[in-house]
Amino acid sequence: VIWVTQSPALLSASTGDRVTISCRMSQDVTNYLAWYQQKPGKAPELLISGASTLESGVPSRFSGGGSGTDFSLTISDLQSEDFATYYCQQYYTFPLTFGQGTKVEIK
Amino acid sequence: VQLVESGGGLVRPGGSLRLSCAASGFTFSSYSMHWVRQAPGKGLESVSSISSDGTYMYHADSLKFRFTVSRDNAKNSLYLQINSLRAEDTALYYCAREKRRGSYGGDAFDIWGQGTMVTVSS
Repeated sequence: VIWVTQSPALLSASTGDRVTISCRMSQDVTNYLAWYQQKPGKAPELLISGASTLESGVPSRFSGGGSGTDFSLTISDLQSEDFATYYCQQYYTFPLTFGQGTKVEIK
Repeated sequence: VQLVESGGGLVRPGGSLRLSCAASGFTFSSYSMHWVRQAPGKGLESVSSISSDGTYMYHADSLKFRFTVSRDNAKNSLYLQINSLRAEDTALYYCAREKRRGSYGGDAFDIWGQGTMVTVSS
């Protein structure tokens, strides 16, 4: 099993801030890493796959980086609609595992 | 492109349920599919996966003797049979599509349903 450690669990920020969320894998997953956004009462939405490839329609203020075991999601110029919970997921091998989630809240 | 889950409800411990996921707007038979659950206030947990033709299946180790994933490509439908339900199975169950045609476990989930709630309580 590949264990995923996501941090921080809670991130308080203001509109316009630049924030970074981290995920660390217990083993090398090359770039088989996705990021999802989930808003209350809604299903998760795919933001980034392949560690750094933005999905169609995702604003360019979102960016993903890293490879191997350490990954990051950065949101530059945080907007009101970005306050949500974010999850990373490795899909390198079964079981496909998610991070614990990071809630981005308004400071 | 849409996924719609159904079949959830209130079930007593030890009971069974069959969840369904109806797909539309894409060639269902070309994509691997997944079930992901989310307990109230908790994170996401990948439960079961099935390849596009149903040949390959995966269940989380702790669930594999009670959960069975299946699909009917002629009906554009995905299923999850859950037996011997426990309180800890209480969760919102999502079905999700794997992004790349023909891939199995090697890509992210690009389409999600709205989920169906399973509550296990006496």
